[in-house]
Amino acid sequence: EVQLVESGGDLVQPGGSLRLSCAASGFTFSNCAMNWVRQTPGKGLEWVSAISGSGDDTYYADSVRGRFTISRDNSKNSLYLRMNSLRAEDTALYYCVKEGAPSFNDAFDNWGQGTMVTVSS
Amino acid sequence: DIQMTQSPSSLSASVGDRVTITCRASQTITNYLNWYQQKPGKAPKLLISAASSLQSGVPSRFSGSGSGTEFTLTISSLQPEDSATYDCQQSYSIPYSFGQGTKLEIK
Repeated sequence: EVQLVESGGDLVQPGGSLRLSCAASGFTFSNCAMNWVRQTPGKGLEWVSAISGSGDDTYYADSVRGRFTISRDNSKNSLYLRMNSLRAEDTALYYCVKEGAPSFNDAFDNWGQGTMVTVSS
Repeated sequence: DIQMTQSPSSLSASVGDRVTITCRASQTITNYLNWYQQKPGKAPKLLISAASSLQSGVPSRFSGSGSGTEFTLTISSLQPEDSATYDCQQSYSIPYSFGQGTKLEIK
């Protein structure tokens, strides 16, 4: 059974930093591209970032490019999102999401339960 | 970037009704269109990939169709447990994008 368990969400002040983690199990982690997707009540689902199975290729939404960094450790079956210069508009539930393919353009076939990030003073 | 537009944003239907939700892409995405179901307090669940491929375990009353820029999700006979929000998503090109969601309520 595929399991994706996020952690690291917290209340942080504007301008602060946070690192999200996602522990994966139940599949060959290095064979799958991984994503972070966030959700706010007002804006629905928003894709944030993607990384290929090898970790060689990464992509970002314009809204986070230059502030967020996606990475993975295939030896630990773990996905990360380093979030810097956080803004109020980054407040959301962040999901770790698995794609079916190693290098993008596939459906999001498994989702974690999410970790909440709140940016507020 | 590709914009995804869903309609309607909400609807209310009765058990046994046939329900159709539409998703339009701002440019062609061939069949790189996926549908998700999300219930309150839960993560989204993949229902249909590649426009019409039903995921394992998803009831056969769900179906998807379309190609290019226009797609539909159909529930042939609505059941009480189908009350949820439905989202479309294109995986044709990065940045991936979602529709704004359709909230389906059972009368």
